[in-house]
Amino acid sequence: DTGVSQDPRHKITKRGQNVTFRCDPISEHNRLYWYRQTLGQGPEFLTYFQNEAQLEKSRLLSDRFSAERPKGSFSTLEIQRTEQGDSAMYLCASSPPGVWGAEQFFGPGTRLTVL
Amino acid sequence: RKEVEQDPGPFNVPEGATVAFNCTYSNSASQSFFWYRQDCRKEPKLLMSVYSSGNEDGRFTAQLNRASQYISLLIRDSKLSDSATYLCVKILLNYNQGGKLIFGQGTELSVKP
Repeated sequence: DTGVSQDPRHKITKRGQNVTFRCDPISEHNRLYWYRQTLGQGPEFLTYFQNEAQLEKSRLLSDRFSAERPKGSFSTLEIQRTEQGDSAMYLCASSPPGVWGAEQFFGPGTRLTVL
Repeated sequence: RKEVEQDPGPFNVPEGATVAFNCTYSNSASQSFFWYRQDCRKEPKLLMSVYSSGNEDGRFTAQLNRASQYISLLIRDSKLSDSATYLCVKILLNYNQGGKLIFGQGTELSVKP
């Protein structure tokens, strides 16, 4: 399967714990995006990388959230001191270089439940 | 006001029916538009892009009216497999050719036999 992959697919944690999610984009896609989706809502943009550079962060991304893409390939999203309001589906997407506003291909998501 | 607004539905229609979804948007500077489809507990997938001239892909027709800031999706001859949530999306393009997607709430469609 050469699509976007995410790990883990599900995560249950207790409030106050730290969690880390991983996203592997489609090979050769230089742009990588993180979105968050809560029940009954559309996905909301969190942050965006072009290669290893984090070019934009949403105000939704509080200081408890940090994302990295150290080698311009896979990315990690860490949430520190989780809160119940962090419960959501975290979606990763990637898009290829060279095309203005290219289609973003989404991974299956990581569903986070904070107890 | 949300940047992209949709009627959440649900729309319950019989097989073979024609159904139309509408979407309005604000902040109209420099952007493109799409319809994505999302099946239950799955990731969103691009259904089609939306152009001012209107575009058609089989049973699906999308239309953009920039003057009214309005987007539509028409599905003809509905199939059971069309049951899903349809997300109206705009992309805010930036200088480096990337862009963040702004999603509407989604409109749920249920096609019944």
